[in-house]
Amino acid sequence: QVTLKESGPVLVKPTETLTLTCTVSGFSLSNARMGVSWIRQPPGKALEWLAHIFSKDEKSYRTSLKSRLTISKDTSKSQVVLTMTNMDPVDTATYYCTRIPTKFYFDYWGQGILVTVSS
Amino acid sequence: EIVLTQSPDFQSVTPKEKVTITCRASQSIGNSLHWYQQKPDQSPKLLIKYASQSFSGVPSRFSGSGSETDFTLTINSLEAEDAATYYCHQSSSLPWTFGQGTKVEIK
Repeated sequence: QVTLKESGPVLVKPTETLTLTCTVSGFSLSNARMGVSWIRQPPGKALEWLAHIFSKDEKSYRTSLKSRLTISKDTSKSQVVLTMTNMDPVDTATYYCTRIPTKFYFDYWGQGILVTVSS
Repeated sequence: EIVLTQSPDFQSVTPKEKVTITCRASQSIGNSLHWYQQKPDQSPKLLIKYASQSFSGVPSRFSGSGSETDFTLTINSLEAEDAATYYCHQSSSLPWTFGQGTKVEIK
């Protein structure tokens, strides 16, 4: 059974750095061409892809946020970590991690974590 | 960046009616178009991959079609449990993008 679970702070202050962890089970981050992506959704708004990482450590970032984002993985812990620097209230959103199977779509999603940016 | 435009933004439908949602891409994306369903306070769920391939466990009343720039999600014989927001997503080129969503309400 494939599961993904996001963890991290639910409240951060403006200018702080957000660190989110996605812990996966039911598959290995070392599986050929398997990947994990982070997607966010501001309250009442649409989904926005942020970044992904694949088994061979290939990474991609949303261009507009590239300078603020870092994605990494620890295969032994089955975890993918996303850091976002210089948080702003507009970054308030539910952050999801998702699995990307060999082909490029999101087949399993975590429950999401609502992160609020406020002083 | 490829822009995906869904129509309509909102649809109020009676049970057993047929629902059609379209997604138009700002440039050709082949068949790299996927559909998700998001019910209130839940994570999105994959319905259709690569324009027309149903994901495992998805009811047969959901189907997808289209290619290049124009795509359609069809729900045949809508059920009450289908009340949700539906999103299209393209993975043809980075950054991967989503449509703005179509909310389907049950009358």
